[in-house]
Amino acid sequence: GAVVSQHPSRVICKSGTSVKIECRSLDFQATTMFWYRQFPKQSLMLMATSNEGSKATYEQGVEKDKFLINHASLTLSTLTVTSAHPEDSSFYICSAPPPGGALTIQYFGAGTRLSVL
Amino acid sequence: KQEVTQIPAALSVPEGENLVLNCSFTDSAIYNLQWFRQDPGKGLTSLLLIQSSQREQTSGRLNASLDKSSGRSTLYIAASQPGDSATYLCAVRQNEKLTFGTGTRLTIIP
Repeated sequence: GAVVSQHPSRVICKSGTSVKIECRSLDFQATTMFWYRQFPKQSLMLMATSNEGSKATYEQGVEKDKFLINHASLTLSTLTVTSAHPEDSSFYICSAPPPGGALTIQYFGAGTRLSVL
Repeated sequence: KQEVTQIPAALSVPEGENLVLNCSFTDSAIYNLQWFRQDPGKGLTSLLLIQSSQREQTSGRLNASLDKSSGRSTLYIAASQPGDSATYLCAVRQNEKLTFGTGTRLTIIP
């Protein structure tokens, strides 16, 4: 079964609204979670690293005020796309590495497809 | 900055054929390399993980190799089936970050 749960799987919203995406680790505690974005026919690009108990770190070119990340607990990270616009339409996916360091596989959520009208 | 490239970008082969997907990366200081499968509009399914100290991993009809010094990995799929049609992504891990390749869109023709 899935070890990382991501909700919702699909969102359609009007331009200017905010959208929250949740990522939960089901069987383990994750002090770190990762948020990726994938535009059509492109690969996944890391947006930000979510750190429990501290601020998220953002990759170059990602607006931290637009993509708010909150790592509320050791099993939950949320990504809020604020004032979404059509160019934010994309596939957002989270991942979490279970305890074990570099030798372990990262588990991915099923992804959220955001469509902004 | 790590860059990961996959060739070819798209591949179509008849059912039953063996095939090889290629992945190259620019920085050889990696912890591991992982191959994923992504079906249209879906998340990622992990296929194989190769640690930096390993040279290959096998799972069923899949075999992945790693040559860290040259920055290359291959995914070999034996006796391809229509159900193998998907996009295949390789990703290299440095610290806790994964850098993904551009993907190969595979179509198996029945």
